[in-house]
Amino acid sequence: QQQVKQSPQSLIVQKGGISIINCAYENTAFDYFPWYQQFPGKGPALLIAIRPDVSEKKEGRFTISFNKSAKQFSLHIMDSQPGDSATYFCAASSYNKLIFGAGTRLAVHP
Amino acid sequence: GAGVSQSPRYKVAKRGQDVALRCDPISGHVSLFWYQQALGQGPEFLTYFQNEAQLDKSGLPSDRFFAERPEGSVSTLKIQRTQQEDSAVYLCASRQSRGRITEAFFGQGTRLTVV
Repeated sequence: QQQVKQSPQSLIVQKGGISIINCAYENTAFDYFPWYQQFPGKGPALLIAIRPDVSEKKEGRFTISFNKSAKQFSLHIMDSQPGDSATYFCAASSYNKLIFGAGTRLAVHP
Repeated sequence: GAGVSQSPRYKVAKRGQDVALRCDPISGHVSLFWYQQALGQGPEFLTYFQNEAQLDKSGLPSDRFFAERPEGSVSTLKIQRTQQEDSAVYLCASRQSRGRITEAFFGQGTRLTVV
């Protein structure tokens, strides 16, 4: 069964801290792993994405770490800010549809 | 417009009523997707179009759900005889390419409430 498991369900971080969200997948055919950020009342917006031929990708304060052998990937948000407070979804895809995790609700306290 | 546009933003339907949800993708985007997002959950795939061809409808939960994209641009998701379990946000996304995955852009969604 195609499935992406995401943890934790919710996360509270102090301003300036590091937020870490983890995901695991089962289907080895997945070849694209994006992270989406969603604010209330809005659609998901792509934050950063990685393909399995690299182990890490960094864009500004956001980093994806990818472990192909363990079939796990994670999002690190450095220097977390209150404006980062949102729900984050990992996803995985093979050619067409995206399979999303259940989401992590992040709250960054000032 | 520059982004994916969905209408209406909110829809309240009485149980048993038929509804039609519209998606205007980004101009020139070949691929179009519909997802269903239940409260507090991640989006779940419903169906995929490449131009006007519906290539994957494996996620449609029942034969009450029907989607079309007759001219390869605007798409409509129709739900017949709505049930309470159909209450969710319906998201549309479009993607420029038809092949290897590139960024999919999502609309703001239509929140459907069945009463």
